[in-house]
Amino acid sequence: GIQVEQSPPDLILQEGANSTLRCNFSDSVNNLQWFHQNPWGQLINLFYIPSGTKQNGRLSATTVATERYSLLYISSSQTTDSGVYFCAVDTGFQKLVFGTGTRLLVSP
Amino acid sequence: EPEVTQTPSHQVTQMGQEVILRCVPISNHLYFYWYRQILGQKVEFLVSFYNNEISEKSEIFDDQFSVERPDGSNFTLKIRSTKLEDSAMYFCASSGTGVGLNYGYTFGSGTRLTVV
Repeated sequence: GIQVEQSPPDLILQEGANSTLRCNFSDSVNNLQWFHQNPWGQLINLFYIPSGTKQNGRLSATTVATERYSLLYISSSQTTDSGVYFCAVDTGFQKLVFGTGTRLLVSP
Repeated sequence: EPEVTQTPSHQVTQMGQEVILRCVPISNHLYFYWYRQILGQKVEFLVSFYNNEISEKSEIFDDQFSVERPDGSNFTLKIRSTKLEDSAMYFCASSGTGVGLNYGYTFGSGTRLTVV
């Protein structure tokens, strides 16, 4: 099955810093989503981005489908950005395959 | 924005007991899913459901598990005889307003199941 790898596994930032999270996948995908899992365990959908670039406030994402990777950019990080960021992909077989996540801690 | 609603948010059950986790997917979605996440691990696919039948299931989804759409709005996951290793966060999700998954998946807030 498809492999989804995320890097880095852990990231510690000072408030105000910028960061880039990466997701590599091993096969063509129909769908790619970025999620933020908050400290209460909820999965918050950040982006639906099978290709191209999207921006939402301080967050933006780019997927280069032909090269099988996606990037999530967080600018001017805040403590509320802490949590785990998951990339998940769907190859068209009615299921999302999740990466192992990047655990982000933003300190004041 | 439309939401997927899950109840209960937390459930504690004794080993060997049956549990039913409930979900109300987004009303015009056609595909429904259950995923689980063991504490500290990644989110894993359990089962997908379309047109009132299972369309795909993982190796985790054995005979102890079943899903049902008992009416036009609810989608349930039943675990017949819970084991300690069933302790996890269970997420319901829904997607799609037509052929193909062109709109992404929306996840509920999860049910944290603890088996004691």
